[in-house]
Amino acid sequence: DQQVKQNSPSLSVQEGRISILNCDYTNSMFDYFLWYKKYPAEGPTFLISISSIKDKNEDGRFTVFLNKSAKHLSLHIVPSQPGDSAVYFCAALSGTYKYIFGTGTRLKVLA
Amino acid sequence: DAGVIQSPRHEVTEMGQEVTLRCKPISGHNSLFWYRQTMMRGLELLIYFNNNVPIDDSGMPEDRFSAKMPNASFSTLKIQPSEPRDSAVYFCASSLRRNQPQHFGDGTRLSIL
Repeated sequence: DQQVKQNSPSLSVQEGRISILNCDYTNSMFDYFLWYKKYPAEGPTFLISISSIKDKNEDGRFTVFLNKSAKHLSLHIVPSQPGDSAVYFCAALSGTYKYIFGTGTRLKVLA
Repeated sequence: DAGVIQSPRHEVTEMGQEVTLRCKPISGHNSLFWYRQTMMRGLELLIYFNNNVPIDDSGMPEDRFSAKMPNASFSTLKIQPSEPRDSAVYFCASSLRRNQPQHFGDGTRLSIL
């Protein structure tokens, strides 16, 4: 039973355009969310977070939106760059220390 | 600024052999996590240490798996005996506090033949 779902396994976007990565969760008790980026043969790297008391958090080209009523969060990358090509994972904090990870979305930014 | 360091990066061994994976967390981080990543199940938490003490090992799949953290700068994950279904990428991660974003090592790719 997947509590955190990333329904799109892959996404291709043209350089300079917006990339939107989506994540759905089932547990309304989750109150803190993270996005990670992962390059091949490397570990996931923390990108951006959002607390459930907010609906938006921005860091440079990266913005995360949280819709609590829909149990949905999204990561926007604007403008997309070829170096953004990677696998992106969303994660939700369950309790005080355990993060539940989605299965990832592979983003390919085309030059 | 050193991140989380894992060794070895790759391990290939035969079924039945003992496998030991090693992790050096970021200095000052009091929380350490071991994960396993597979195609079927994604990234799963195996065990969580806080201040060197195992807090949650409910994700450890079987008694063949064990983990230790003898001090704040070193942890091991041991599989004995290993089986082909243990083949996966194993990640170690650490965080300053238990609920904060985790910093991952580059993983150990384990293949059991």
